[in-house]
Amino acid sequence: QVVLTQSPSASASLGASVKLTCTLTSGHSSYAIAWHQQQPEKGPRFLMRVNRDGSHKKGDGIPDRFSGSSSGAERSLTISSLQSEDEADYYCQTWDTGIQVFGGGTKLTVL
Amino acid sequence: EVQVLESGGGLVQPGGSLRLSCTASGFTFNNFAMNWVRQAPGKGLEWVSVISGGGDRTYYADSVKGRFTISRDDSQNTVYLQMNSLRAEDTAIYYCTKDSWRESPNAIDVWGQGTMVTVSS
Repeated sequence: QVVLTQSPSASASLGASVKLTCTLTSGHSSYAIAWHQQQPEKGPRFLMRVNRDGSHKKGDGIPDRFSGSSSGAERSLTISSLQSEDEADYYCQTWDTGIQVFGGGTKLTVL
Repeated sequence: EVQVLESGGGLVQPGGSLRLSCTASGFTFNNFAMNWVRQAPGKGLEWVSVISGGGDRTYYADSVKGRFTISRDDSQNTVYLQMNSLRAEDTAIYYCTKDSWRESPNAIDVWGQGTMVTVSS
């Protein structure tokens, strides 16, 4: 079964860039994933889908500061020009026959 | 505007039952699978169940299989989650989510605001 691995935490300074990574288990490196953002005390919000070739499709209203990429079994979310409202939990999600799978989430702190 | 809105959460005793509802708007409901995802207090996201567009296929997480039932009424643009034999570990915010494809599962692209379910005596 596919498993998604995320670092529990990350931090970066206001105005800087940060790259969050989600790693697929061996044998599942071709899978697409989706990224979701959960700001404090709010429900999650869909950010984008990232395909194995690195192409990505963002949700409505997602700023250009958010972008996705792919390398092997890694799917990444890059946030540039960090703003205070980017401080949130970020979850990756993938799917297989009959199942949805979430990563454990990365808590991003904006310094 | 595409949105989904949950209702039906509340406090229930262990062993009890509860039915959650989710009403959708802004998209052709029967063209998309729908999921329920939950989040226990202070924890990450856990997928619970999915139903395909049209309702011919349903899938469940092992943690709820045999106790929860997902269904949909496309005439009402509504998806349901019937929860029986509830346990303390089912305590969570339950989110209704829209899938990006009819034949589930696929990327989730819309989230509701969530409804809280508390299982306690």
